Amino acid sequence: DAGITQSPRHKVTETGTPVTLRCHQTENHRYMYWYRQDPGHGLRLIHYSYGVKDTDKGEVSDGYSVSRSKTEDFLLTLESATSSQTSVYFCAISDGGLMGTGELFFGEGSRLTVL
Amino acid sequence: RKEVEQDPGPFNVPEGATVAFNCTYSNSASQSFFWYRQDCRKEPKLLMSVYSSGNEDGRFTAQLNRASQYISLLIRDSKLSDSATYLCVVNMRSSASKIIFGSGTRLSIRP
Repeated sequence: DAGITQSPRHKVTETGTPVTLRCHQTENHRYMYWYRQDPGHGLRLIHYSYGVKDTDKGEVSDGYSVSRSKTEDFLLTLESATSSQTSVYFCAISDGGLMGTGELFFGEGSRLTVL
Repeated sequence: RKEVEQDPGPFNVPEGATVAFNCTYSNSASQSFFWYRQDCRKEPKLLMSVYSSGNEDGRFTAQLNRASQYISLLIRDSKLSDSATYLCVVNMRSSASKIIFGSGTRLSIRP
């Protein structure tokens, strides 16, 4: 299995509080992604990174920010959590990104509940 | 219209049956295609890539029809362990943000 760990795996928080999810990889892959998964919507891309300090928005980026200061770490921050951000968050990595195989390796997910 | 569409199911079939899923995509610029499998409360994992000429991996066969913009997955001699959600994935290779997942098709195999 690809070396990807997400933390925390489960979190319950209150509306308006900041939340940071961490994704750590040991594969030295260039590309890292944050997805959220909700019933009926499948996986939707929030933000992605194509290198240290290089990030871009996905389709559902509002209310989220990311940072990548090291190859191995990709942080997702909810500055002020809302109930609509209750979801399962998956981090993913890939080697060649779009010009590679395109295969994504996923972390185990972080289940976030915003009350 | 969603960029990648799948029948959500659930498909409920007996063990040993053959089952097929289709997935349609809207953008003809899509360049590579995959089927992922996701078990309940687990992360998605690559099942197989889909090549233009079609490809087979054991009991699983994937096909691509570029003219009609759909891909398919056929599972023969289904096993109880095949019960999962199957995600269709389309990679446009023009932008990292264009790795699009379908919502998934749920498959349940009954004894």
